[in-house]
Amino acid sequence: GENVEQHPSTLSVQEGDSAVIKCTYSDSASNYFPWYKQELGKRPQLIIDIRSNVGEKKDQRIAVTLNKTAKHFSLHITETQPEDSAVYFCAASMWNQGGKLIFGQGTELSVKP
Amino acid sequence: DGGITQSPKYLFRKEGQNVTLSCEQNLNHDAMYWYRQDPGQGLRLIYYSQIVNDFQKGDIAEGYSVSREKKESFPLTVTSAQKNPTAFYLCASSKDHSGNTIYFGEGSWLTVV
Repeated sequence: GENVEQHPSTLSVQEGDSAVIKCTYSDSASNYFPWYKQELGKRPQLIIDIRSNVGEKKDQRIAVTLNKTAKHFSLHITETQPEDSAVYFCAASMWNQGGKLIFGQGTELSVKP
Repeated sequence: DGGITQSPKYLFRKEGQNVTLSCEQNLNHDAMYWYRQDPGQGLRLIYYSQIVNDFQKGDIAEGYSVSREKKESFPLTVTSAQKNPTAFYLCASSKDHSGNTIYFGEGSWLTVV
């Protein structure tokens, strides 16, 4: 089955700097790659997603890139702010596997003022 | 997100007891999912259902059971066979199983006492 690896597990940046989180997946049939942000004790919230027919997607300070050949995708956050501090999860799914998401292990991002 | 309701938010279980976590959605979504999250860990899939009266095991189904008698409801029973049930349980739904966005409920905290 699908396996998703996420790095780094923790990331500390200064306010205003950029943050990059990377994920690799194992099954080339995966075609949907969302990113979720989870604050302590709360539910994961979708922040951006990308499908396999697109190489890059941006939404204000957040962008995701996908390299299907290498089977990896990355989250880029620019001009980080303290409120960006949270745990970020990547995930992958295949349409013919019930749409279920397989998650990475998470990255705890800390943005220091 | 607001259309997925989980209850109770906090639940304490004595060893040897079965408990049932409720999940209701009013989004008219076909697919529903249950995930387990341990502290500092990612989300692992317990069960998922693509359509009423059908469900499939996820990666960690042992010690759990589900039913899908109605489109809007997908309750999860944590049985006494689950040896380490203390965790944060998240219910989720999506329009269908073809890789659409998955939305999460607010979660239920289960503690064994």
